Amino acid sequence: NAGVMQNPRHLVRRRGQEARLRCSPMKGHSHVYWYRQLPEEGLKFMVYLQKENIIDESGMPKERFSAEFPKEGPSILRIQQVVRGDSAAYFCASSPGTGEEKLFFGSGTQLSVL
Amino acid sequence: DQQVKQNSPSLSVQEGRISILNCDYTNSMFDYFLWYKKYPAEGPTFLISISSIKDKNEDGRFTVFLNKSAKHLSLHIVPSQPGDSAVYFCAASHYGNNRLAFGKGNQVVVIP
Repeated sequence: NAGVMQNPRHLVRRRGQEARLRCSPMKGHSHVYWYRQLPEEGLKFMVYLQKENIIDESGMPKERFSAEFPKEGPSILRIQQVVRGDSAAYFCASSPGTGEEKLFFGSGTQLSVL
Repeated sequence: DQQVKQNSPSLSVQEGRISILNCDYTNSMFDYFLWYKKYPAEGPTFLISISSIKDKNEDGRFTVFLNKSAKHLSLHIVPSQPGDSAVYFCAASHYGNNRLAFGKGNQVVVIP
């Protein structure tokens, strides 16, 4: 009965490199959300996806950031040309999409940009 | 802009006593409120929620109170236990919408 799985747990990138963060939702969940937590801040909504569809990306920066949730495989949050300000904890959450409000979160990926 | 605010970033309480965490919100469209608990190196876990049609919801040692007119909610934990030591996040949304707005969190330390 695995929960939301995120990998890697820690990711170190140099400025200008690409970061790929992966999220496998809980079994039976078809809705995925990505949140970002900057140091000393609360979690901020980035993007909401269903299988093969981006439903709401209003919280995601317009440039360098993209997300996908393909028919097969995990959801991917991709950050191109990373900058120091991208250093944060990135959390993925899933829900069954049946109106259940409760989100189940993964343990997060800590991204450090050198 | 911070739509959900949690002041008093940290709280220390003796085991067995009550912990009270406060949360204020500014967006009057919010009608569903949640508390999440987070341990270091883990993701937030759901604790308790309340919809705007209620003013109180209780689950075991945890009770959430909602004052809509003041745009204020609070979480009461009684009795507090050492395992309750964690960061507590208040979150809010429009019902049916999982784009949660989170506060910055309160660190709770329960002293044995």
